[in-house]
Amino acid sequence: EDKVVQSPLSLVVHEGDTVTLNCSYEVTNFRSLLWYKQEKKAPTFLFMLTSSGIEKKSGRLSSILDKKELSSILNITATQTGDSAIYLCAVVNTGTASKLTFGTGTRLQVTL
Amino acid sequence: DAGVIQSPRHEVTEMGQEVTLRCKPISGHDYLFWYRQTMMRGLELLIYFNNNVPIDDSGMPEDRFSAKMPNASFSTLKIQPSEPRDSAVYFCASTRTGNQPQHFGDGTRLSIL
Repeated sequence: EDKVVQSPLSLVVHEGDTVTLNCSYEVTNFRSLLWYKQEKKAPTFLFMLTSSGIEKKSGRLSSILDKKELSSILNITATQTGDSAIYLCAVVNTGTASKLTFGTGTRLQVTL
Repeated sequence: DAGVIQSPRHEVTEMGQEVTLRCKPISGHDYLFWYRQTMMRGLELLIYFNNNVPIDDSGMPEDRFSAKMPNASFSTLKIQPSEPRDSAVYFCASTRTGNQPQHFGDGTRLSIL
């Protein structure tokens, strides 16, 4: 059974800080790893990382996949209060099409 | 393009009642997924469809849960009879192919009293 573990479970930082969120996984046949941001409603897609795309960046957010260590990190620099959310990591197994296995998420709170 | 549309947004009902949740995927998306989210267990996949056919229902908790997709633009998740432990947020998601990210609806917050 595929498994995803995220750490820390929750985090409180001050605006302007840099944060690193961690995701480790166990999957029989890895296809991809995805990061989502969930505020009050639907999870919204951030990044998808695969064997051919192990690093992604968008503005202040970036993510790296370490296939050797079976893990990924999500970095947020110069955090803002609007970054407060739950960040979810999920993996896809090649044998299960687009089926996502999610971690329980990291709850990030950015304070003034 | 309109996103994934779910209804109702909130549902409060008494245990034993039948509950039906509805989902309209993004047009042209061939895959549809139903998830349940709770504080204790996070986001769990219940069932998913490809081209209206159920592919994997191993996450459906028990026979009280059923899902259908009669056509490419509509799916339902039914709970009968409902129990308090079914209280959760239920999300529907869709994607065009197996290699693309899923897009989520805003969810249905279900409370069973």
